Amino acid sequence: NAGVMQNPRHLVRRRGQEARLRCSPMKGHSHVYWYRQLPEEGLKFMVYLQKENIIDESGMPKERFSAEFPKEGPSILRIQQVVRGDSAAYFCASSPVRLSEQYFGPGTRLTVT
Amino acid sequence: AQSVTQLDSQVPVFEEAPVELRCNYSSSVSVYLFWYVQYPNQGLQLLLKYLSGSTLVKGINGFEAEFNKSQTSFHLRKPSVHISDTAEYFCAVSDITQGGSEKLVFGKGTKLTVNP
Repeated sequence: NAGVMQNPRHLVRRRGQEARLRCSPMKGHSHVYWYRQLPEEGLKFMVYLQKENIIDESGMPKERFSAEFPKEGPSILRIQQVVRGDSAAYFCASSPVRLSEQYFGPGTRLTVT
Repeated sequence: AQSVTQLDSQVPVFEEAPVELRCNYSSSVSVYLFWYVQYPNQGLQLLLKYLSGSTLVKGINGFEAEFNKSQTSFHLRKPSVHISDTAEYFCAVSDITQGGSEKLVFGKGTKLTVNP
């Protein structure tokens, strides 16, 4: 059973470009979570999705960030008009049901130049 | 809202010595508790979890943690560390009330360095 997959592993974008981060949850998992790890900080929750629904987006910045988890295909975290402060590691996690442990992917490291 | 405090940002120890990484949490509701380990440039791996039952929880790689509700603590211990345990360790909590958010709230992490 393959683990949580994220791609790309490394992404370089210039200021003002768009970044699209992909997450394929483990097989059978319908709950997806996105977290961001900034330098010298811990991981911060961004958004929690189930298939076709955003359940909790309390950690998402109000502008430029969006997330989706369509019926078919991976979950996408989209950052429009990136700025240097968006440089971070973005981790996706998945779980099979509510209130169960979350399994993390290897992360996407975004660098904005 | 929940919060997690990891009291030590860095812990250096010698190989084969015991180690304790401290974690305190604050929450007005019932929570699940977790410890994750992160090796350089990798994702997080679950070490152990407390959901209910026995307050002493055993995890992978010889780690264990004890849940202390009165002190709101969940300290991680290992009786004898190896060089390969060098990594960053994160304590996390999750609200388990009906209708609560599924999100994990993490501490800022403790960097464990095991020296020969």
